[in-house]
Amino acid sequence: DQQVKQNSPSLSVQEGRISILNCDYTNSMFDYFLWYKKYPAEGPTFLISISSIKDKNEDGRFTVFLNKSAKHLSLHIVPSQPGDSAVYFCAAPPNQAGTALIFGKGTTLSVSS
Amino acid sequence: EAGVAQSPRYKIIEKRQSVAFWCNPISGHATLYWYQQILGQGPKLLIQFQNNGVVDDSQLPKDRFSAERLKGVDSTLKIQPAKLEDSAVYLCASRRTGIFSPLHFGNGTRLTVT
Repeated sequence: DQQVKQNSPSLSVQEGRISILNCDYTNSMFDYFLWYKKYPAEGPTFLISISSIKDKNEDGRFTVFLNKSAKHLSLHIVPSQPGDSAVYFCAAPPNQAGTALIFGKGTTLSVSS
Repeated sequence: EAGVAQSPRYKIIEKRQSVAFWCNPISGHATLYWYQQILGQGPKLLIQFQNNGVVDDSQLPKDRFSAERLKGVDSTLKIQPAKLEDSAVYLCASRRTGIFSPLHFGNGTRLTVT
């Protein structure tokens, strides 16, 4: 049972345009969400997070939007750069008492110059 | 600060052999995690430690996998005997205490079982 779903395995965008990566979840008890970025042969690195009490969090070129009624969040990258090409994972802690994360399957973003 | 260190980076073994992975978390991080990432999937939690105690090992295949974190710092994950389906990247992560603190991952060990 996938509690965090990333239904798009891949996304291709031109440099300078917006990249939108999507994530759906099934557990309404999730209280915060994180996005991780992973380059080949490296571990995932933390990118940005959002608490369930907010609907938007921005950090430079990266913005995460949360729609709790739709159980949906998205990561916007504006403008996209070739160095953003990586696998992006959406994640959430499975319960309020725990700190481990459940990850989606990831979306591979390719930004062409 | 120094990141999470893992070794070895790569390991190739035959099925039914044993293998061990080592992890040194970020200094001061009390919580340590081992994740398994199979190709095309997201990381899946195997075990979580808080200092040297196990918090969650519900997804660890205990008939063949074991892990320990002696003295609440370094950790080892062992597989004995290995199966073909254990081929994956094994990621170690650590986290400092505090609400909303993110996990910091090492670069992982890529295991190939032939």
